Amino acid sequence: DTEVTQTPKHLVMGMTNKKSLKCEQHMGHRAMYWYKQKAKKPPELMFVYSYEKLSINESVPSRFSPECPNSSLLNLHLHALQPEDSALYLCASSQYAGQGIDGYTFGSGTRLTVV
Amino acid sequence: AQTVTQSQPEMSVQEAETVTLSCTYDTSESDYYLFWYKQPPSRQMILVIRQEAYKQQNATENRFSVNFQKAAKSFSLKISDSQLGDAAMYFCAYRSFKAGAGSYQLTFGKGTKLSVIP
Repeated sequence: DTEVTQTPKHLVMGMTNKKSLKCEQHMGHRAMYWYKQKAKKPPELMFVYSYEKLSINESVPSRFSPECPNSSLLNLHLHALQPEDSALYLCASSQYAGQGIDGYTFGSGTRLTVV
Repeated sequence: AQTVTQSQPEMSVQEAETVTLSCTYDTSESDYYLFWYKQPPSRQMILVIRQEAYKQQNATENRFSVNFQKAAKSFSLKISDSQLGDAAMYFCAYRSFKAGAGSYQLTFGKGTKLSVIP
């Protein structure tokens, strides 16, 4: 299995809703990442988990709450989002965080729309 | 801080022809990694090719090759025998070699949208 699987593929939520995005990989990678990508822009790093511990939080608002229950699974909990949070949310993984030339393996993303 | 510049927002190529996408970067580091990613309409970012800055030899992956000019801080991608499936947004990316938080970050260029004409 050489994939990063993200669910759901599409999500529409209201500003008062609570929802979660899920990301799963079974490649034995020990680093996992959340990226946010607005239309026609490059991805922007949000969070980095290394060995299931949060290593990087790129000053992301607290309405985004990441969780790494185990080495294969990464969640992003969403609460009280704003319309400007509408974007494509990409999950990625790599063998180790910030080591070696291994490129990241990305999932297909969750297209989030906040109404 | 490192920056990555892709000066061609859009490009097009005839099927079976060759196209070159440009990328320049700015860094004070001597060792680093460079990548080209492809993002088709399916949205998944796909790693196309990677290069270690301390290796002189240009990386190649089948129809994809790079022209890495370290002194000029240039990292262009050449696609030979272009196929319809090559149509996508292409992102050039930089990652620091140094261990630590800075090396977690992939710094992306703004992307080049490639169209392939049948």
